[in-house]
Amino acid sequence: QVTLRESGPALVKPTQTLTLTCTFSGFSLSTNNMCVSWIRQSPGKALEWLALLDWDDDKYYSTSLKTRLTISKDTSKNQVVLTMTNMDPVDTATYYCARMRKVGITNYFDHWGQGTLVTVSS
Amino acid sequence: QSVLTQSPSVSEAPRQRVTISCSGSSSNIGNNAVNWYQQLPGKAPKLLIYYDDLLPSGVSDRFSGSKSGTSASLAISGLQSEDEADYYCGAWDDSLNGYVFGTGTKVTVL
Repeated sequence: QVTLRESGPALVKPTQTLTLTCTFSGFSLSTNNMCVSWIRQSPGKALEWLALLDWDDDKYYSTSLKTRLTISKDTSKNQVVLTMTNMDPVDTATYYCARMRKVGITNYFDHWGQGTLVTVSS
Repeated sequence: QSVLTQSPSVSEAPRQRVTISCSGSSSNIGNNAVNWYQQLPGKAPKLLIYYDDLLPSGVSDRFSGSKSGTSASLAISGLQSEDEADYYCGAWDDSLNGYVFGTGTKVTVL
C-alpha cells in the first residue's frame, strides 16, 4: 500500500525559509520510473507543480520558482524534502507531495498525500 | 501560471453527459500523454485518467479520456452528485522540462 504524508510548519514569516518533508512508504525511490514531486494549491486556485526528484536522483524545478527551491532525499528514511526560500504571503497554499510514475511520454501522479496548509504571515 | 487551458465550469443534470476540454501545445499535450485528476471539495487530487485514456484500477468507467493533437477531453457519462468536483488535466512539458497542470474545471450537478 502506497502512502505519502507531508509534514512541516503551518505558519512561516515572510522572508523565512520553508522546509517540508514528505515521508512515503510502499515503494522505493530507487526503483526505475519512480519519482516524488511537490505540488501546491493556493486557496481557490489551480494546482501548481513545484519540483520533482526521480529514481536516478535527477531533479526538476518549476522555471518560475527554481531559484527558490531545493528538493532532496533521505533514502534511509524514505523521505523527500523541499525547501523554499524567501517566503512571501503569496506562497500561502496547501502543499502536496505525490508519487509520479515517469515512463517515456507517460508521466502521472498516481498517489497523493493529504496535503499540508502553509500560511505565510508576520 | 497554468500552461494548459480548461473551461472554468460546466453544469449538467444528473444522468447526463459532460465533456471537459484541455488545450495545450506541441511541447506538452502534443508530445506527451495527458492525465486527468479529480479533486473533491476539501480533498487531495486523485488520478482519474492516465496516458490519455487509461483508467486506474477502481475508477468508474463512466469516466473516459481522449486526445487529438494538442487538445484533450474528459467525458463523464451518467453524471452523479458525487461527481461534483474540480477536474484538472496535466502533462509533462518538454520545453519547460517540468509538469504542467490545467486551469481546472468545476463540475456542478444540477
